[in-house]
Formats: sequence, C-alpha cells, structure tokens
Amino acid sequence: AQSVAQPEDQVNVAEGNPLTVKCTYSVSGNPYLFWYVQYPNRGLQFLLKYITGDNLVKGSYGFEAEFNKSQTSFHLKKPSALVSDSALYFCAVRDMVDSSYKLIFGSGTRLLVRP
Amino acid sequence: DVKVTQSSRYLVKRTGEKVFLECVQDMDHENMFWYRQDPGLGLRLIYFSYDVKMKEKGDIPEGYSVSREKKERFSLILESASTNQTSMYLCASAPKASYNEQFFGPGTRLTVL
Repeated sequence: AQSVAQPEDQVNVAEGNPLTVKCTYSVSGNPYLFWYVQYPNRGLQFLLKYITGDNLVKGSYGFEAEFNKSQTSFHLKKPSALVSDSALYFCAVRDMVDSSYKLIFGSGTRLLVRP
Repeated sequence: DVKVTQSSRYLVKRTGEKVFLECVQDMDHENMFWYRQDPGLGLRLIYFSYDVKMKEKGDIPEGYSVSREKKERFSLILESASTNQTSMYLCASAPKASYNEQFFGPGTRLTVL
C-alpha cells in the first residue's frame, strides 16, 4: 500500500540556520513527490515537486528537496531559515503505477523558526 | 492566477442537520477533491471527481456524499451531521495529467454541536 511518513511532529530551528523536514515514502512504482506548506488559517500552497530527472528540486520561497531513491526519501531543505517559514509542512506522493490522480499525504510537520 | 474558493470559512451546525460545502474553481480543471484535515492525521481524501457527474470514493467516504453538476463546482454533503465530522475541510482541483500538483482552497472549519 502507498504511504508517506513524516517522522517528526515538530522541527525547531533558529533563524539563519539550515533546516530539514523529513519525508519517506512507500509506493509500488516510481513516485511523483510533492511538498506543500500551510500557513495559519490558510489552505495548502504548493512548494515543489519531483517527477523525474535531477534529484535536487528547487521550489518556492528558497526551498529545495532531495529525492533519494535508495533511501525512499524526499527531505525538504532550506539553507537559511526565516521566522516567516514557520508553518505546517506536508509531504505527498502519487504512485505512477496507479492511474488515479489521488495524492497520499503525510501527517504533517510543524516548523518553528525562532528569532 | 489560479483560484479555488470555498463557500464558508467557518460553519457551525447541529447534530442531524444536512450540511452543504461548496467549492468553485476557475481554472477549467478536470479533477476536483475533498479532504478533511485533522491534527496528527494529515489530509484524508473523502471523495474526488475526474469529470462532470463522475465521482470516486476516497479513503473515508462514510457519512459523506458529493455532487458535480458543473465542471467548476464540486459540493460535499453531510446528510446528517455528527460531532465526529467536526474538522477542517479542504477542496482542491488539478488539471488532467497525473504529474500536476493540486491547488487548494482556503478551507472550511466545520463545527458540529
């Protein structure tokens, strides 16, 4: 069965430091992988996606993510965190074997960037 | 600019009431989705639709139904609201190709008393 795991409920980081939000996946075929961000009282906003090609994907707001097939991971990273990056982050996967358009979401990781 | 709108930001209903949540998208997307979001559980798919008048059950369809009479509008219906349906409801839309991301509305926070 397809699944996505975000092992950390919360990540705390100081402003200016690098941040990593972890995501691992389990699918039967090759995955399409997505990261979304949710600011307080808002819907989800798309950050970036991996479909194929370069394992390092760049997205909005200076975020990037690294696809690692051997470790089945797709961790979200940013070289220098901002207080405004504090939000809830969701990883999601679509299995290419499955022809539906459904996304499977992780449980979310709350990022807290302290000044 | 891509836009998905939901009819209400906050809604309070009583147990047993029939509840309608409306979602409209202006991007001419074929696919539309309804999720509920609960702390620690992430987003769970309730129903989705890949075309007008077509619908598919998601992971948690019990207690819900949907309607898609027009391409731009996707309605979620709670036939008889219960307290365990208190949640944040998110609507999304996406173009046809499976590699496309979904675009989300702002959400409706529903409280059932």
